[in-house]
Amino acid sequence: DTGVSQDPRHKITKRGQNVTFRCDPISEHNRLYWYRQTLGQGPEFLTYFQNEAQLEKSRLLSDRFSAERPKGSFSTLEIQRTEQGDSAMYLCASRTSGDHSPLHFGNGTRLTVT
Amino acid sequence: GQQLNQSPQSMFIQEGEDVSMNCTSSSIFNTWLWYKQDPGEGPVLLIALYKAGELTSNGRLTAQFGITRKDSFLNISASIPSDVGIYFCAGQLKGAQKLVFGQGTRLTINP
Repeated sequence: DTGVSQDPRHKITKRGQNVTFRCDPISEHNRLYWYRQTLGQGPEFLTYFQNEAQLEKSRLLSDRFSAERPKGSFSTLEIQRTEQGDSAMYLCASRTSGDHSPLHFGNGTRLTVT
Repeated sequence: GQQLNQSPQSMFIQEGEDVSMNCTSSSIFNTWLWYKQDPGEGPVLLIALYKAGELTSNGRLTAQFGITRKDSFLNISASIPSDVGIYFCAGQLKGAQKLVFGQGTRLTINP
């Protein structure tokens, strides 16, 4: 399968711990996105990379959140000092630069903060 | 910020019935996308629309990009059990990278 891959699928952590998620986009896709989805809601944009450059960040991305894409391929999303409100599904998506290139999502990492 | 109003929030139908759902916005969008999400999975792209007035089909699914560029609808004909799930519309403003999502329509089918 050459779709967007995310790891882990599930993460349970205690409040105050740090967590890191990984996303491997579709190989020829140079644009990578992180979204967050809470129960009963649509995904909300967090941040976007073109190659290794992080070009846009949402106000939802507090200073406890950091995302990287060091070599323009896989990306990591780290949450420091997790809070219960961070519990959500974290979705990664990718696309090419073309105007008519739709966004393809991975299956997400479900984070539960206890 | 931009918001998409998706309706209905939920639908309970009989197998074989046709389904219609829509999204409206106060903003003009350049792109409309429709996704389906199953429990514990990521959204899967169903149809992408790039031009006002465009009508596109994907099997039993048909979607249209409204001519005002502020709305879109998705129709599903002759529903089957595997159509069960949550359907999301998403819009993209001109020059923007992010997608704005609706709140979703949960489809339940009674066999």
